[in-house]
Amino acid sequence: QKEVEQDPGPLSVPEGAIVSLNCTYSNSAFQYFMWYRQYSRKGPELLMYTYSSGNKEDGRFTAQVDKSSKYISLFIRDSQPSDSATYLCAMSRSGAGSYQLTFGKGTKLSVIP
Amino acid sequence: DVKVTQSSRYLVKRTGEKVFLECVQDMDHENMFWYRQDPGLGLRLIYFSYDVKMKEKGDIPEGYSVSREKKERFSLILESASTNQTSMYLCASRIPIHNEQFFGPGTRLTVL
Repeated sequence: QKEVEQDPGPLSVPEGAIVSLNCTYSNSAFQYFMWYRQYSRKGPELLMYTYSSGNKEDGRFTAQVDKSSKYISLFIRDSQPSDSATYLCAMSRSGAGSYQLTFGKGTKLSVIP
Repeated sequence: DVKVTQSSRYLVKRTGEKVFLECVQDMDHENMFWYRQDPGLGLRLIYFSYDVKMKEKGDIPEGYSVSREKKERFSLILESASTNQTSMYLCASRIPIHNEQFFGPGTRLTVL
């Protein structure tokens, strides 16, 4: 079983839709969870950062972490064509080895005007 | 805002050439990273530096070396480029007490 699983998509939604992106993981030591957005031929850009379980909201974006299910989600409300990108989840443990981020392979999202 | 810059956006080299990829960050971050990103394989860590002159191998260090002489600069070296090193190379940096990493724009390297 891979440490982090992420559906590669592609996912295509109409403008204004609510988008749900998800990752599952197997390593219970993961404590820090991140979402990155990567536009074509660009570097990943940090979108959301959460520690342990719970929700975090930033504008149209909400990140959720459910450590009991080893499941994290990113919701995008009122999606825009500019949200079209690949979304990568990433996670790490605390303490020794915390430098190592484990990434999902990314979900490609297209928001159709 | 954290700024991570990479010396080239696109690079074309020939097999056997020595290749230098440069990365500079302007936020005084102790830790710096080099990844490569390939379709279907995702991001893979090549090398990590936790401070000046300190380095640690990542998951795929073979065929690569690194240099960190100054805190803001981290170089990736391909001693003898091969076609299987054609890839997108991404540099990142972070402060040790935080786990999020900040990425540069990437260098798309093609080895012919």
